[in-house]
Amino acid sequence: SQQGEEDPQALSIQEGENATMNCSYKTSINNLQWYRQNSGRGLVHLILIRSNEREKHSGRLRVTLDTSKKSSSLLITASRAADTASYFCATAGGTSYGKLTFGQGTILTVHP
Amino acid sequence: EAQVTQNPRYLITVTGKKLTVTCSQNMNHEYMSWYRQDPGLGLRQIYYSMNVEVTDKGDVPEGYKVSRKEKRNFPLILESPSPNQTSLYFCASSLTATYEQYFGPGTRLTVT
Repeated sequence: SQQGEEDPQALSIQEGENATMNCSYKTSINNLQWYRQNSGRGLVHLILIRSNEREKHSGRLRVTLDTSKKSSSLLITASRAADTASYFCATAGGTSYGKLTFGQGTILTVHP
Repeated sequence: EAQVTQNPRYLITVTGKKLTVTCSQNMNHEYMSWYRQDPGLGLRQIYYSMNVEVTDKGDVPEGYKVSRKEKRNFPLILESPSPNQTSLYFCASSLTATYEQYFGPGTRLTVT
């Protein structure tokens, strides 16, 4: 079963704007990871946030995690056309150690 | 260069003809995993391996087999492929189950 649910399914913005994607999950986790995928290619890891962390930054990326609500958000600030891609959250560990469960993804389009 | 390789990248086959998709990593990772990606369904885990000779089912294992005889290799075997196994397949590896995953470039399989 899909643990991660993401919204929105698609997001279209202009260059320079911020993009926020949300992810919800159902069971306890060890960490939550965000990945990026350019059309049909392999996924690339962006950032990992552990269950005891609330916020993490990496360059223009900011990730938050609320374990009480079982949700996370990924914020991309000052977006660029090159940020156009699909973004996936994935949950690891918890009750199903060994399994990594991905959400359905958010398709982000950044218009120049 | 640290990488995960998959072969073949593209494969068209017929129903019932056994096939193997190879996956190899050069990072000495303990954990390896196979996923399939279908439109609207995100990535779903097929099988994973915590170490040599240790494999376990993911969310969609039916119709697939795996083996982990060496640390670097984790082949995916379809003994009798069917059209519903037409998909984009990704292999990934990581230090352990809860670390960031490194993905291969993908194998696009079509079963007619």
